Amino acid sequence: EVQLVESGGGLVQPGGSLRLSCAASGFTFRSYWMSWVRQAPGKGLEWVANINQDGSAKYYVDSVKGRFTISRDNAKNSLYLQMNSLRAEDMAVYYCASWWKDSSGWSLVYWGQGTRVTVSS
Amino acid sequence: QTVVTQEPSLTVSPGGTVTLTCASSTGAVTSGYYPNWFQQKPGQAPRALIYSISNKHSWTPARFSGSLLGGKAALTLSGVQPEDEAEYYCLLYCGGAFWVFGGGTKLTVL
Repeated sequence: EVQLVESGGGLVQPGGSLRLSCAASGFTFRSYWMSWVRQAPGKGLEWVANINQDGSAKYYVDSVKGRFTISRDNAKNSLYLQMNSLRAEDMAVYYCASWWKDSSGWSLVYWGQGTRVTVSS
Repeated sequence: QTVVTQEPSLTVSPGGTVTLTCASSTGAVTSGYYPNWFQQKPGQAPRALIYSISNKHSWTPARFSGSLLGGKAALTLSGVQPEDEAEYYCLLYCGGAFWVFGGGTKLTVL
């Protein structure tokens, strides 16, 4: 059974930092692209970042570029999101998700339950 | 930046049929946008339903189908069940490994 379990969320002051983690199991983690997706309170989903299988390619939504860093440790089956210079608008539930690719295309197929990040003084 | 637009809300009767759409500000949605559809119920994580226009996952109920319709990606629910009441999101590929979600459609079954 595929499992993605996020951790590391919490309360942080504006301008502060937080590191989110996602522990993966039940699939060959090193073979898949991974993403972070967030959802602000009462709002829709927002794609935040992607990372390829070996971590050599990373992509970010414009609003987090230069502040957030996605990374992975395939030996530990773990995905990370280092968040710096946090702003009120970064407050959200952050989901870790895995991509599936086949001959038909791409699917953001498996999701964790999310970890909540609150940015407030 | 690409904006992806969905109907904010739709209402359907049990047993009825409803189509949700997903449009891109850059033009017609094509297969190259790899449209994905997700269902999210309150307090839950999103669940993948459809990918690359019309491909279903093993857990996707048969009453859900995806297509391209009038330059948009579309999700059709046929024979709607009360448990289909949820928020539905589309996701489009916008090039260069960048993806954009639509704002979501709140589907009410009434």
